[in-house]
Amino acid sequence: DTAVSQTPKYLVTQMGNDKSIKCEQNLGHDTMYWYKQDSKKFLKIMFSYNNKELIINETVPNRFSPKSPDKAHLNLHINSLELGDSAVYFCASSQDDREGSYGYTFGSGTRLTVV
Amino acid sequence: AQSVTQLGSHVSVSEGALVLLRCNYSSSVPPYLFWYVQYPNQGLQLLLKYTSAATLVKGINGFEAEFKKSETSFHLTKPSAHMSDAAEYFCAVSERQAGTALIFGKGTTLSVSS
Repeated sequence: DTAVSQTPKYLVTQMGNDKSIKCEQNLGHDTMYWYKQDSKKFLKIMFSYNNKELIINETVPNRFSPKSPDKAHLNLHINSLELGDSAVYFCASSQDDREGSYGYTFGSGTRLTVV
Repeated sequence: AQSVTQLGSHVSVSEGALVLLRCNYSSSVPPYLFWYVQYPNQGLQLLLKYTSAATLVKGINGFEAEFKKSETSFHLTKPSAHMSDAAEYFCAVSERQAGTALIFGKGTTLSVSS
């Protein structure tokens, strides 16, 4: 069973379109995240949700809107796609485990290409 | 704000040689520290993490890292490199609080030659 699953794995779309990426985790974690990895491999946090509540909202264009229908799902909707949105988007989840440490689990990523 | 700096965007070693990837963190309090590996066109895999237990942390695939508070460092090492170790390596930091995001360094590309 996949712990953090993202769909689709690849997404090619034209400029100006609206698209969504879905993420689901079956780990029972309370917090979920979206990261963007650019062409230089740099990973940057975009959003985080804790129990469906927005916790982190970094400087991201408002064309990006996260939605969390329940604590196991965090979707990312992108309006009016631009060439610069091309990147790999990673979903992740975390939980403070009993040993007092954190487990962050990442999905396999969605490669978005805007043409 | 917390941050990590990975010294050296590219590291090249010969097969069998020591691997040393450097990471320094900036934090007002001791954070949690992580090393992740990313193979080409794949996701992120956790190598090891420091969460205030032993300062020498052993991870998967023969990697280990030592937390040195005095040097604010968490360097990753492996005694003998394998060709299969060629990948992108990321150091990351988080606060000691549930629900805080991982902050990543810019990554180090490890190349291994035969």
